Amino acid sequence: GQNIDQPTEMTATEGAIVQINCTYQTSGFNGLFWYQQHAGEAPTFLSYNVLDGLEEKGRFSSFLSRSKGYSYLLLKELQMKDSASYLCAVRDSNYQLIWGAGTKLIIKP
Amino acid sequence: ETGVTQTPRHLVMGMTNKKSLKCEQHLGHNAMYWYKQSAKKPLELMFVYSLEERVENNSVPSRFSPECPNSSHLFLHLHTLQPEDSALYLCASSQDKGAGSDTQYFGPGTRLTVL
Repeated sequence: GQNIDQPTEMTATEGAIVQINCTYQTSGFNGLFWYQQHAGEAPTFLSYNVLDGLEEKGRFSSFLSRSKGYSYLLLKELQMKDSASYLCAVRDSNYQLIWGAGTKLIIKP
Repeated sequence: ETGVTQTPRHLVMGMTNKKSLKCEQHLGHNAMYWYKQSAKKPLELMFVYSLEERVENNSVPSRFSPECPNSSHLFLHLHTLQPEDSALYLCASSQDKGAGSDTQYFGPGTRLTVL
């Protein structure tokens, strides 16, 4: 079966750095997405990786290793507004999006 | 604002009621999606429409009935629901369902409670 694993919950301190991991086993691979979802709001697109390596976008970076079936989202200089759930999703060989259950990130002052 | 709106934002209904959820996208996209989001579970894809044709129906019970009258609007008609159907229902749209980098844009969801 197809599976996406991410930690259920993480806690970090304002101003620090946090890394949210995502591992996947899917039928084929056509890219990996990260979304942010604040409580009661729409998931919003953060990043898309299809090639190995690190993609940086301001305070957020996303890394992919296809050979290891692994990605992480790196958040720097954490702010209270970064408290949210972070969803990892992989597009498989049929172009279906397979979703993880999300990681709830709690930022403490 | 993501360009995708959903109404109502909250809905409480009895098991014998009939109600409809509405989604509208202002992005000029060709594909629209209904998802169910339950606590601590992955998003469950329910239906996909591409160019107003239903292209996927992931074994969803018949008490959920989708309708896509045009490429900007999507409805989910609900009848004789069960308490386990209580969840957040998310609508999304994307430019081209068949492309690897095709990004889905979500509405804020309808929080449904079935009594």
